[in-house]
Amino acid sequence: NAGVTQTPKFRVLKTGQSMTLLCAQDMNHEYMYWYRQDPGMGLRLIHYSVGEGTTAKGEVPDGYNVSRLKKQNFLLGLESAAPSQTSVYFCASSRTYNEQFFGPGTRLTVL
Amino acid sequence: AQTVTQSQPEMSVQEAETVTLSCTYDTSESDYYLFWYKQPPSRQMILVIRQEAYKQQNATENRFSVNFQKAAKSFSLKISDSQLGDAAMYFCALKLNTGTASKLTFGTGTRLQVTL
Repeated sequence: NAGVTQTPKFRVLKTGQSMTLLCAQDMNHEYMYWYRQDPGMGLRLIHYSVGEGTTAKGEVPDGYNVSRLKKQNFLLGLESAAPSQTSVYFCASSRTYNEQFFGPGTRLTVL
Repeated sequence: AQTVTQSQPEMSVQEAETVTLSCTYDTSESDYYLFWYKQPPSRQMILVIRQEAYKQQNATENRFSVNFQKAAKSFSLKISDSQLGDAAMYFCALKLNTGTASKLTFGTGTRLQVTL
């Protein structure tokens, strides 16, 4: 049981480049989330999904898109990366109202 | 909107001693969960303890316990018999139990140092 996994663990992009972060969970959880963590701040919700085929905006959605084509996967896309998107990104999943389980994080640097 | 405030950016405790981390929150809802997460240098977010707002009894998990004061909207974490492995960032988080989404609102964290 791997729990929540994230790919890649590290990435460096140039301004304007695009990329996709992949989150996978093997716990059959309905809900999945993408957060970003910046120095001196707690985790902030970017987008979330309450089930396969559904997505919704969180607290800081601008500049990001997401897709949930399969229940176990939740993708976070950056179409045109900006230095302000330099951050550590966490994916999480939960079974409705239970606690969220987090992935190990992806450190993204945009130059 | 919900807010979570952790007013102690850093705390230090000696090994085997007890330390309390503070957290206050604000919400107009009455049905919610509160959590403490630990983030060691590995970056992995680990759930330490959770409290359901409708339960008056304070949650306890081994050396970790909370002091939940609902009227004061306070949710502090007490770590007893501190160990070197307790050194980490600790985040307080609030989750409303309404609607279909289960979103967490985090505080800014408290960095805990454990000294010999």
